[in-house]
Amino acid sequence: EAGVTQSPTHLIKTRGQQATLRCSPISGHTSVYWYQQALGLGLQFLLWYDEGEERNRGNFPPRFSGRQFPNYSSELNVNALELEDSALYLCASSFGGGTYGYTFGSGTRLTVV
Amino acid sequence: AQTVTQSQPEMSVQEAETVTLSCTYDTSESDYYLFWYKQPPSRQMILVIRQEAYKQQNATENRFSVNFQKAAKSFSLKISDSQLGDAAMYFCAYRSAYSGAGSYQLTFGKGTKLSVIP
Repeated sequence: EAGVTQSPTHLIKTRGQQATLRCSPISGHTSVYWYQQALGLGLQFLLWYDEGEERNRGNFPPRFSGRQFPNYSSELNVNALELEDSALYLCASSFGGGTYGYTFGSGTRLTVV
Repeated sequence: AQTVTQSQPEMSVQEAETVTLSCTYDTSESDYYLFWYKQPPSRQMILVIRQEAYKQQNATENRFSVNFQKAAKSFSLKISDSQLGDAAMYFCAYRSAYSGAGSYQLTFGKGTKLSVIP
């Protein structure tokens, strides 16, 4: 069974540009969660998608957005990149509400210069 | 809102010895789930162990076990017979058991970096 896959592995962008990160969940998982892991800050919840709808978002500005496609894959978009957006972005998926935990991908390392 | 605190930023253990990582959480809810995740240098978060708050019995997975103290809101992870492959960041996480828009995401602590000394 393929795990959660994220692309690209690394991404370097210039301040002010837009970044697009992609995530494919485990087959059968309908929920996708995005987390930001900045140095020293732990994992901060960004967005939760389920059945194609945004269900909840964390305390991040609107320039962080995303969507979930009919095949349950997801895209995270970050507009007007700032230097502090440099972080590891982790995607996770779960079946249903995730009471048995999430399965995580290996992340996308975004560097803003 | 729930918070999760891991008070030990770094810990070390000798190979084959036992180590305990601490985690406390703050919640007003009576039913929830607690997790420990491991993040090795490969970056992928791996689920180590899961505990349901309404179960008094402490969860165990091979060399990993927890000490769940609900009244004290404490959820420590014990690693027995430590191996070199156990070296990683360990994160404690909380998930509400109640449905609702704000309930399904995991809330994580800031992590404990575990080093294993050969």
